[in-house]
Amino acid sequence: DTEVTQTPKHLVMGMTNKKSLKCEQHMGHRAMYWYKQKAKKPPELMFVYSYEKLSINESVPSRFSPECPNSSLLNLHLHALQPEDSALYLCASSQLGTGGLETNEKLFFGSGTQLSVL
Amino acid sequence: AQTVTQSQPEMSVQEAETVTLSCTYDTSENNYYLFWYKQPPSRQMILVIRQEAYKQQNATENRFSVNFQKAAKSFSLKISDSQLGDTAMYFCAFMMTGNQFYFGTGTSLTVIP
Repeated sequence: DTEVTQTPKHLVMGMTNKKSLKCEQHMGHRAMYWYKQKAKKPPELMFVYSYEKLSINESVPSRFSPECPNSSLLNLHLHALQPEDSALYLCASSQLGTGGLETNEKLFFGSGTQLSVL
Repeated sequence: AQTVTQSQPEMSVQEAETVTLSCTYDTSENNYYLFWYKQPPSRQMILVIRQEAYKQQNATENRFSVNFQKAAKSFSLKISDSQLGDTAMYFCAFMMTGNQFYFGTGTSLTVIP
């Protein structure tokens, strides 16, 4: 199994709603990532978890709350979002959690959640 | 901070021809990886090719090859025998220790039949 699975594929929410995005991988990877991508722009790194601990937070607003309950699962909790938060949210995983560079290290991406905030 | 720049926002190529996409990066690190990822209209991010900075030999994957110039901090992608399915956004990407993985600005490639 070389897949990263993201659910839901599409999400529409109001600014007062609370919702969650889910990401799952069963490749035994120990690092998991959240990216935000606006149309025709590159993905922007939001968070990185290494061995289920938050290792990188790229100054993301607190209305985005990541969670890594176990090594296979990554969530992104959303609350009081703004319309400008509408974007494609991509999850990715990589083999190592130590942050070292090893042969064949690369990121595997899910197909994303398209989020619209009304 | 690491920056990755792709100077060609849009490019086009005739089917079966060859095209080269440019990428430059800035880092003080000596050990890192470089990648080219492809994102077709489906928006699924697909790995095209990767290069370890400590390797002098340029990576190749079938029709895809890179020209890695470490001193110049340049990492270009050559696509030979372009096919319609190569139409996509292409992102150069940089990975360093600490699971830090950053994308370049992107090049939109259109293959013309």
